[in-house]
Amino acid sequence: ELKVEQNPLFLSMQEGKNYTIYCNYSTTSDRLYWYRQDPGKSLESLFVLLSNGAVKQEGRLMASLDTKARLSTLHITAAVHDLSATYFCAVDNNAGNMLTFGGGTRLMVKP
Amino acid sequence: AAGVIQSPRHLIKEKRETATLKCYPIPRHDTVYWYQQGPGQDPQFLISFYEKMQSDKGSIPDRFSAQQFSDYHSELNMSSLELGDSALYFCASSLGGSGNTIYFGEGSWLTVV
Repeated sequence: ELKVEQNPLFLSMQEGKNYTIYCNYSTTSDRLYWYRQDPGKSLESLFVLLSNGAVKQEGRLMASLDTKARLSTLHITAAVHDLSATYFCAVDNNAGNMLTFGGGTRLMVKP
Repeated sequence: AAGVIQSPRHLIKEKRETATLKCYPIPRHDTVYWYQQGPGQDPQFLISFYEKMQSDKGSIPDRFSAQQFSDYHSELNMSSLELGDSALYFCASSLGGSGNTIYFGEGSWLTVV
């Protein structure tokens, strides 16, 4: 059974600081997704990582994937208040039809 | 750009009643997924369809059923509702399978009282 773990589950940081969210998963997969969710809202796709060593960046967020270590990271650079949300990683079961989500990281960026 | 459309957005049902949620995927998307997200929880996969055929099944209770119709819209039917079924139900769609972006709808809030 595929298990996906994120840490930290809660992160409070000051604006302008950098931090990294980690996502570990238990079985072989080379497809990993990052989503953002605001309270009570939909899941917004941030990144799709499809191969070992994949790195993608959008604004202050950068995601990477190490399939050998079964680890993905989401790095936040110079955080701003607007980044406050819950961030989920999700791993594909390699058949493309089922995502297993991590527990989510609730990020609060303080002005 | 068109997104995944879900209806209704909110519904309140009593225990033991039945509810039906509808999902209209992004045009030309051939894969539909249903997820359930309880309060403060991560989304849990329920079921998926590819080209109108069920492709994967997750933690979907036997009281729930789903199907995808010829126009690619999907419906999730929930019967004998229990208090624990109260959750945000997401439909998502993608073009093709693995490795493509999966787009989520706004969700349907179900409250069982």
